[in-house]
Amino acid sequence: DTAVSQTPKYLVTQMGNDKSIKCEQNLGHDTMYWYKQDSKKFLKIMFSYNNKELIINETVPNRFSPKSPDKAHLNLHINSLELGDSAVYFCASSQYTDRGKTGELFFGEGSRLTVL
Amino acid sequence: DAKTTQPPSMDCAEGRAANLPCNHSTISGNEYVYWYRQIHSQGPQYIIHGLKNNETNEMASLIITEDRKSSTLILPHATLRDTAVYYCIVIPGANSKLTFGKGITLSVRP
Repeated sequence: DTAVSQTPKYLVTQMGNDKSIKCEQNLGHDTMYWYKQDSKKFLKIMFSYNNKELIINETVPNRFSPKSPDKAHLNLHINSLELGDSAVYFCASSQYTDRGKTGELFFGEGSRLTVL
Repeated sequence: DAKTTQPPSMDCAEGRAANLPCNHSTISGNEYVYWYRQIHSQGPQYIIHGLKNNETNEMASLIITEDRKSSTLILPHATLRDTAVYYCIVIPGANSKLTFGKGITLSVRP
């Protein structure tokens, strides 16, 4: 009964291909995120959605397009994959309150993308 | 724009308390201190957070100095499974993004 689940867990693909990673949370949270962890292990936020609305969009190439069909799902589509896109992508969710709980994120197990 | 500084690594013996320090000398009044950890190959895991007062939960205790310029995460009885990278993060209260630094690698030895 995983709280935040991502699929696929592993993805190996060729440069230039288009791929998607799916994320679902069953916690009833209203905010979801995508983070990228590169080979140096730095975790960087990419996007954040609140109730299907984009609220954070860091400097991410246009090839990356998040889509939130409903507040329980946030998918990440990547066009024209490049070698530098190889990383582990983490999905997360949180519930907004006005008492500091927004920093309590629940992360998925990650999706390891390898671009050859 | 690192708001926190942590030593790169530390170790402790299994069963002993692990005290992980964090400096956040530029913290402002409405900013919270959060701690997360990431066990190898897993997603980050929330541990605890606080504003001014010390906090304790089933995982750890958080001690924040009176001037709030530093804090210590205490794992009271470290186990081998506590070996991980621990991140100290400072964020304002509402609707803010979590920015992870390099963290501190804790190695618990048998």
